[in-house]
Amino acid sequence: GAGVSQSPSNKVTEKGKDVELRCDPISGHTALYWYRQSLGQGLEFLIYFQGNSAPDKSGLPSDRFSAERTGGSVSTLTIQRTQQEDSAVYLCASSLGSLAGGLDTQYFGPGTRLTVL
Amino acid sequence: AQSVTQLGSHVSVSEGALVLLRCNYSSSVPPYLFWYVQYPNQGLQLLLKYTSAATLVKGINGFEAEFKKSETSFHLTKPSAHMSDAAEYFCAVNTGTASKLTFGTGTRLQVTL
Repeated sequence: GAGVSQSPSNKVTEKGKDVELRCDPISGHTALYWYRQSLGQGLEFLIYFQGNSAPDKSGLPSDRFSAERTGGSVSTLTIQRTQQEDSAVYLCASSLGSLAGGLDTQYFGPGTRLTVL
Repeated sequence: AQSVTQLGSHVSVSEGALVLLRCNYSSSVPPYLFWYVQYPNQGLQLLLKYTSAATLVKGINGFEAEFKKSETSFHLTKPSAHMSDAAEYFCAVNTGTASKLTFGTGTRLQVTL
């Protein structure tokens, strides 16, 4: 079946512009996660959605970062007023969400490579 | 708080040789542990996971890992390396109360002829 998809695969933007990154999770998965992969920081958790519960935003690095999940499916990560340090690969993952957190396998998309000039 | 430490950012082995990638964890509660592999320009793929059912976990592509509580380790091994194993490998930890994965810094595996 179809896996997690992300778009665009690559995004180049100028410093100060806003960007939107999209994630389509696996059908039927109620949990969705965003991570960031950068050379200096490795893989970092950003935000987690589970069903209709309030999202866990504890990993968002600043208030320039926000994310939405519409209709319990597609998610959009928005970065406002981008900075050069935002350059990274943004990975989305989804899971069934039916098991206690640690037991739930997360399936990752291919990522969006963001370059801020 | 939970964390993982991967010793060795780069590991090089000959084709056919044993692969050993090291991971040590720190967790105040019993952990769930994962190994993911990332091929160039791709996302992360789950190799195997430990969820307390068995200490020796077998995964895909001939990889396995053993959970050793006394050593707080979860090292990844494969008896015989193949060229196609060249990739970056990430160890990750989760606990039953937290859904986010905490990743190690990764180990890049190089396989030479």
